[in-house]
Amino acid sequence: GQQVMQIPQYQHVQEGEDFTTYCNSSTTLSNIQWYKQRPGGHPVFLIQLVKSGEVKKQKRLTFQFGEAKKNSSLHITATQTTDVGTYFCAGPHNDMRFGAGTRLTVKP
Amino acid sequence: EAQVTQNPRYLITVTGKKLTVTCSQNMNHEYMSWYRQDPGLGLRQIYYSMNVEVTDKGDVPEGYKVSRKEKRNFPLILESPSPNQTSLYFCASSSTGARTDTQYFGPGTRLTVL
Repeated sequence: GQQVMQIPQYQHVQEGEDFTTYCNSSTTLSNIQWYKQRPGGHPVFLIQLVKSGEVKKQKRLTFQFGEAKKNSSLHITATQTTDVGTYFCAGPHNDMRFGAGTRLTVKP
Repeated sequence: EAQVTQNPRYLITVTGKKLTVTCSQNMNHEYMSWYRQDPGLGLRQIYYSMNVEVTDKGDVPEGYKVSRKEKRNFPLILESPSPNQTSLYFCASSSTGARTDTQYFGPGTRLTVL
């Protein structure tokens, strides 16, 4: 079945540094979603990418969908302590596969 | 307020004692699902339901049952819990279950089976 691999598993950065997490699928994805889970919280939807090569931005967050629609990335510029949490990518809804997540910690 | 609620939020039980975790949503969503979250494994889908009286297995259905008698409720039943079912459980819902739908998650239920 479809597998979604996410790396790295953990990332510790100094506040102000950039952060990137990568998501790779064994099969072509019709769309990909990104969620954020704060410590002790539940996953919250961030964004969805549908088109090949699509790039979307939310303030300091940049999301990309690969040309082959098999990979995606989330890049955070100049991290802040409020960015702390685990970021998950997720494959198409009906066959939802979540990546294992990247846990981001930020040192002030 | 639009939300997904789960009860209980925390539960400690013993092996073999049947339990039910309730999930309810007030958004009139057709699609509901259950996930378990374990360290290093992310979120794995247990069961999902496209609508009332329609349920399907996810990736890890063994040891679990669900029912969908009403649109708003989707309880998760563990008939005979075992320690390997100790986990953090999330219920989620979305409008129709279409591939592009956003999923809304409940607050989670932390289950410990001794």
